[in-house]
Amino acid sequence: GENVEQHPSTLSVQEGDSAVIKCTYSDSASNYFPWYKQELGKRPQLIIDIRSNVGEKKDQRIAVTLNKTAKHFSLHITETQPEDSAVYFCAARRGLTGGGNKLTFGTGTQLKVEL
Amino acid sequence: EAGVTQFPSHSVIEKGQTVTLRCDPISGHDNLYWYRRVMGKEIKFLLHFVKESKQDESGMPNNRFLAERTGGTYSTLKVQPAELEDSGVYFCASSQERLDGGELFFGEGSRLTVL
Repeated sequence: GENVEQHPSTLSVQEGDSAVIKCTYSDSASNYFPWYKQELGKRPQLIIDIRSNVGEKKDQRIAVTLNKTAKHFSLHITETQPEDSAVYFCAARRGLTGGGNKLTFGTGTQLKVEL
Repeated sequence: EAGVTQFPSHSVIEKGQTVTLRCDPISGHDNLYWYRRVMGKEIKFLLHFVKESKQDESGMPNNRFLAERTGGTYSTLKVQPAELEDSGVYFCASSQERLDGGELFFGEGSRLTVL
């Protein structure tokens, strides 16, 4: 089955700096890669996603890149703010045939943005 | 519109006892998923319902776990008898039936502590 590895497990940055979280996946049939943000005590929420037919996607201060050949994808947050502090999870999903929306998650990255 | 709701938010039980977790998906979402996060590890898939039918239960740890979705609305996940290793946060998620899989919406989770 699919295996997703995520690094680093913790990341501390100064406000205004950039943060990068990296994930690798094992299943070449995976074609959808979402990122979820979970603030303390709250639900995981989708912040950005990318499909395998594109290499990069950007939404304001966050961007995701995908390298299908190397089977890795990354989340980039620029101009970090204290409200970016949270746990971030990457995930991967195979094509939808019989698989529904079954996601395989990474172990999470605790991002702390310090003032 | 109400999001995915889960009850209880936190449950503390002793080893050998029974606990039932409940999930109310977003209205109109046929797909319902259960996931679990054990301390510091990945969010791991447990099972997937399409309406009242179990589509995929490959992630269920063992036969101490029983999930139901009678009538295709809310779902329950019962753990009987609970063991120490069952401690963790149990997330429910739902999504619409869409060709592209649609976004997965999570609940806030039910934290289970087995003593």
